[in-house]
Amino acid sequence: ELKVEQNPLFLSMQEGKNYTIYCNYSTTSDRLYWYRQDPGKSLESLFVLLSNGAVKQEGRLMASLDTKARLSTLHITAAVHDLSATYFCAVDNTGTASKLTFGTGTRLQVTL
Amino acid sequence: DTEVTQTPKHLVMGMTNKKSLKCEQHMGHRAMYWYKQKAKKPPELMFVYSYEKLSINESVPSRFSPECPNSSLLNLHLHALQPEDSALYLCASSRYGTISPANEQFFGPGTRLTVL
Repeated sequence: ELKVEQNPLFLSMQEGKNYTIYCNYSTTSDRLYWYRQDPGKSLESLFVLLSNGAVKQEGRLMASLDTKARLSTLHITAAVHDLSATYFCAVDNTGTASKLTFGTGTRLQVTL
Repeated sequence: DTEVTQTPKHLVMGMTNKKSLKCEQHMGHRAMYWYKQKAKKPPELMFVYSYEKLSINESVPSRFSPECPNSSLLNLHLHALQPEDSALYLCASSRYGTISPANEQFFGPGTRLTVL
């Protein structure tokens, strides 16, 4: 059974600081997704990572994938308050339709 | 049209009621999904429809009954629910019905369900 773990579960950081969220998964996959969820809202797609070594950047967020280590990272550069949300990674590894297994989620709080 | 819509936004129902959730997309996507999300937890997959056929049922109780009338619509029929079924129900769609290099899922806004 595929397991996806994220750490930390909760992250409080000051504006302007850098930090990294980690996503580990238990079985082989080369398709990993990052989503953002604001409180009471739906999930917004951030990044799609499809191969070993893939790196994607959007604004202050950068995601990478290491399929050999079964690890993805979401790096936050110079955090701003608007980045406060819960971030989920999700791994897709099935042969019929896409079945996403979500990580535990990381609740990010950026303080002034 | 690049979005997934869901109705209603909120639903309160008793344990003896029958209600339905509706999801619609007009992006030509061939797979549609239902997820259940409890507070402070990740979404949990319930059902997957691929090319309008049920391809995955994650051992969901029969009081939840999915239906895919056509490639753009997905319903979730609810009957005799329990209070523990209260949650945010999310619908999603993706372009491909089978595994592909990139089958990104796009989520609707969700229906917040409360069972009394």
